[in-house]
Amino acid sequence: QKEVEQNSGPLSVPEGAIASLNCTYSDRGSQSFFWYRQYSGKSPELIMSIYSNGDKEDGRFTAQLNKASQYVSLLIRDSQPSDSATYLCAVASNYGGSQGNLIFGKGTKLSVKP
Amino acid sequence: GAVVSQHPSRVICKSGTSVKIECRSLDFQATTMFWYRQFPKQSLMLMATSNEGSKATYEQGVEKDKFLINHASLTLSTLTVTSAHPEDSSFYICSARPISGPYNEQFFGPGTRLTVL
Repeated sequence: QKEVEQNSGPLSVPEGAIASLNCTYSDRGSQSFFWYRQYSGKSPELIMSIYSNGDKEDGRFTAQLNKASQYVSLLIRDSQPSDSATYLCAVASNYGGSQGNLIFGKGTKLSVKP
Repeated sequence: GAVVSQHPSRVICKSGTSVKIECRSLDFQATTMFWYRQFPKQSLMLMATSNEGSKATYEQGVEKDKFLINHASLTLSTLTVTSAHPEDSSFYICSARPISGPYNEQFFGPGTRLTVL
């Protein structure tokens, strides 16, 4: 069973701080990694994708990937109350008939306090 | 870009009726579309994967005769919940994977909230 693990939180940070969200995965052969943001009652929204080891920055978001440690993280700089949401880590399956399907973690709930 | 629509956004129906949900990729063609279900405060659960012109692949435990999926074109997939019952009430979300572009990215529709009375 391929798994994606996230701390469910809630993770509470003050406005303006850096929020750090972490994710580990079990499938060593995975090549594609994603972070989705899901507001309460809404569907997930893709915010970052990363395919190579290292950092990828997009605005206030930085995704970090370490394939050797099977670890993906998302940093949100200058956190705003509007960033309060559940963040889902997703890893593309490298396994047989479900190759390419996304395996989602259960999500980390982030709360940014004004 | 990468916009996926779903219709209807909300539906309330009586027990025993069937409900059809449409999922469209508006500005791209999708090789594969996915259907998920999400109960309150729970994680996404993949129900089935559909490819244009072929039969859907259902996840273990999902009844294919109850959740009918048709992927008629590279931009349209439909999910029909047949003989719906109150336990089918949930948030149904589709996603689409573009033919071209970064590998394995999926873009989600806004979801359909189904309430079965």
